[in-house]
Amino acid sequence: DAGVIQSPRHEVTEMGQEVTLRCKPISGHDYLFWYRQTMMRGLELLIYFNNNVPIDDSGMPEDRFSAKMPNASFSTLKIQPSEPRDSAVYFCASTQGANQPQHFGDGTRLSIL
Amino acid sequence: QKEVEQNSGPLSVPEGAIASLNCTYSDRVSQSFFWYRQYSGKSPELIMSIYSNGDKEDGRFTAQLNKASQYVSLLIRDSQPSDSATYLCAAAMDSNYQLIWGAGTKLIIKP
Repeated sequence: DAGVIQSPRHEVTEMGQEVTLRCKPISGHDYLFWYRQTMMRGLELLIYFNNNVPIDDSGMPEDRFSAKMPNASFSTLKIQPSEPRDSAVYFCASTQGANQPQHFGDGTRLSIL
Repeated sequence: QKEVEQNSGPLSVPEGAIASLNCTYSDRVSQSFFWYRQYSGKSPELIMSIYSNGDKEDGRFTAQLNKASQYVSLLIRDSQPSDSATYLCAAAMDSNYQLIWGAGTKLIIKP
């Protein structure tokens, strides 16, 4: 079975540009999570969805960040405008339900110059 | 405040020895606990899940859960250099769909 698929794997762009990260969860998983990981702050939950509906976006750092899930097999995380402090690895994860483990994609390594 | 705490390490263990990784949590209603391994530059990979008090073994890995004392541990027997990684402890709280993550313990297995 295919795991969580993220694209792109690497993104390097200049400050002020729009960045769009993409994620396809595992089929049948109703919950999708977006995380950011840095050395300083570790793994931070940004937002999660249940059945395509955003449930908790309290971790989204500011209005420059937005996330959508138009259908059960696709989600995007957008940063506009991007800033150097947004540089991090962004992970998408999915799970079947409560008290179940989350399964991670390979991540997107984002560098904002 | 719900928290999951781990010693950041690094924890250095000689090859062939038992590596012991510990995690404590501050909320008494946690139901499920997970250990993930993360190699440098890679994503977290699930290695063990534990849901009830006691020990759970899977190959060289043993997870231990003690809800009364609020700790969960991971033992790695016959440690190999390939076990060198950061180990993340995560807890599911209150039948919530979120996981609360520890900061991770860096494990180094010395040949």
